[in-house]
Amino acid sequence: GENVEQHPSTLSVQEGDSAVIKCTYSDSASNYFPWYKQELGKRPQLIIDIRSNVGEKKDQRIAVTLNKTAKHFSLHITETQPEDSAVYFCAAIPGNTPLVFGKGTRLSVIA
Amino acid sequence: GAVVSQHPSRVICKSGTSVKIECRSLDFQATTMFWYRQFPKKSLMLMATSNEGSKATYEQGVEKDKFLINHASLTLSTLTVTSAHPEDSSFYICSAEGTGGINGYTFGSGTRLTVV
Repeated sequence: GENVEQHPSTLSVQEGDSAVIKCTYSDSASNYFPWYKQELGKRPQLIIDIRSNVGEKKDQRIAVTLNKTAKHFSLHITETQPEDSAVYFCAAIPGNTPLVFGKGTRLSVIA
Repeated sequence: GAVVSQHPSRVICKSGTSVKIECRSLDFQATTMFWYRQFPKKSLMLMATSNEGSKATYEQGVEKDKFLINHASLTLSTLTVTSAHPEDSSFYICSAEGTGGINGYTFGSGTRLTVV
C-alpha cells in the first residue's frame, strides 16, 4: 500500500522567514496530495492541495510543489507568522482509497 | 462546502462502559465514512471504512468487536467504543465521502475520549 514519509518532524523558524516541509510517497498511482494544518485539539483543516496533473500551486503565502517522477511534494510557507504555528500533515491518495497521512511536522514560528 | 458534524466533542467515561460517537454529514449524503484515531503528537491512523448499509472494513490491528461502527443511513455513522479502557483514550475523528463530487477530505470536529 501507499506509504508517506514526512520531514522534518519539528521545525522552528523566525517570524518572517520561510518554512518548507517535504513528503515522499511510494505509490505511483497516487493522484491527490492535500496538506492539512491541525491546531491542538482541533480537526485537521485543509490548507492547500495539488493534483498529479499540476506541478505547482500557490495560495497567498502557501505553495505546494509536486515532482511525480521523484514521488515527492513539498509545502512552502513564506513570511511566516506566529499563527502559522501548528502541526502540518501531508497526505496522499492512491485512487479511491482513504487518505494516507504523513507523521506530521510541528512548526513553531518564533516572534 | 461539505460539512461534517461530530458529537460529542469531549467525553469522559469510566472503565468498562461504552461510548458512542456520532458523525453526521449535514448537507450531503455520505456514502462512505472514514474513522481515524489520533494519539497525542501522532498522525491520524485509519481505523475503519464504513459504507452505508453494509459492514465496515477494519484496518489491520483494529478490533472490530471493540470498535463497533454502524452506518445505517446516508447521513449518519456511529462509532461505539465498547468496554472502554484507559488505553482507548484518544482523539477520534471522522471524515465523509459522498456523491456529487463530495470527497472524504473534510473532517468532523473530533471527539476526545478519556477513559478513567
